[in-house]
Amino acid sequence: GAVVSQHPSRVICKSGTSVKIECRSLDFQATTMFWYRQFPKQSLMLMATSNEGSKATYEQGVEKDKFLINHASLTLSTLTVTSAHPEDSSFYICSARPQGRSVQKYASTDTQYFGPGTRLTVL
Amino acid sequence: DAKTTQPPSMDCAEGRAANLPCNHSTISGNEYVYWYRQIHSQGPQYIIHGLKNNETNEMASLIITEDRKSSTLILPHATLRDTAVYYCIVRPHEKLTFGTGTRLTIIP
Repeated sequence: GAVVSQHPSRVICKSGTSVKIECRSLDFQATTMFWYRQFPKQSLMLMATSNEGSKATYEQGVEKDKFLINHASLTLSTLTVTSAHPEDSSFYICSARPQGRSVQKYASTDTQYFGPGTRLTVL
Repeated sequence: DAKTTQPPSMDCAEGRAANLPCNHSTISGNEYVYWYRQIHSQGPQYIIHGLKNNETNEMASLIITEDRKSSTLILPHATLRDTAVYYCIVRPHEKLTFGTGTRLTIIP
């Protein structure tokens, strides 16, 4: 239970192109989803908080025009890396927090459940 | 946010209990202690969380000291698949702040 998926799991693209990453909560609804980035041998860094039906909240230093976030439904959030460059190559991970009414006994509304991650390589 | 301190690495023999310590001396009354782990090249996996009382689930036990300034995650019978980086996080609100964690290696 409390499964979060991401697609694609791995993507390689040319510099200057845009890449969209999807994050889905499979067995619960989530009004709030989070996007993290992890560089090699480093810890996860929160990029933004995605709220269903409203604008995302970005952490300091994260360019909102470069990392577009859309949270159009209670089970889907997307992150689009626009005009990607080699320095954007990283491991992108999303998480979702179950909404109260959809929570199952095996999940907690206080807990974030993470997707498997998407490895982006920009050539 | 309360900061946490964890040893950078630990080894544990397969089949033995793995005890991972975490110091959070600046924790405040409404902050929960969360544990996640990250196996190489995967997203973090939720393990357990607690406020004051000790907690146990199918994965692990969480022991929180009475003053709440430290806690210990216990994996009762470690297997090779438990090799991962373990993160102790004190969370006052929605955001999770990941530190560097403890790299636990299970030795055959």
